[in-house]
Amino acid sequence: EAGVTQFPSHSVIEKGQTVTLRCDPISGHDNLYWYRRVMGKEIKFLLHFVKESKQDESGMPNNRFLAERTGGTYSTLKVQPAELEDSGVYFCASNPSGSYEQYFGPGTRLTVT
Amino acid sequence: AQSVTQPDIHITVSEGASLELRCNYSYGATPYLFWYVQSPGQGLQLLLKYFSGDTLVQGIKGFEAEFKRSQSSFNLRKPSVHWSDAAEYFCAVGALPPGYSTLTFGKGTMLLVSP
Repeated sequence: EAGVTQFPSHSVIEKGQTVTLRCDPISGHDNLYWYRRVMGKEIKFLLHFVKESKQDESGMPNNRFLAERTGGTYSTLKVQPAELEDSGVYFCASNPSGSYEQYFGPGTRLTVT
Repeated sequence: AQSVTQPDIHITVSEGASLELRCNYSYGATPYLFWYVQSPGQGLQLLLKYFSGDTLVQGIKGFEAEFKRSQSSFNLRKPSVHWSDAAEYFCAVGALPPGYSTLTFGKGTMLLVSP
């Protein structure tokens, strides 16, 4: 069974540009989570999807971030326009309903210059 | 709000020596506790978890952790460290209900293993 995959693994963009990160959860997992780790800080929750609906987006830093999960399958996280402080590693995780364990992807390292 | 403290940013241990990584949490109810490990270039891998029952939990790769409610701690231990254990370790707490819970992480502890 394939694990959680994320694309791209690295992205380097200039301030003001747009970047879209993609996450493919494990097949059949209704829950999908986005987290972010800024350099030197803890991994922080961004938002949580249940199927295609946003269950909790309390961690989204501002309206430059837009997450979608079309059809309840893969998810995208768009940053527009990117700022320097958006640099970090963006993790995606998924799990089935009622599960305790979250399965994490390898992360996307975003660098904004 | 829940929080997790990992007081050690870096720890260096000799190969074959024992290891203990500290984790303290703050949460108003019985917590769901996790330890994850991230090796270079890899995603976060779950080492072990505590939900209820026996306070000493066994995980993968020879790791164990003990939940101590009185100390609000969930320290990770391994009796003999291998060079392949060099990685970053994260303690996390999850809120109820577990199926919908998000995780709150500590800042991580980087483990270096010396020959």
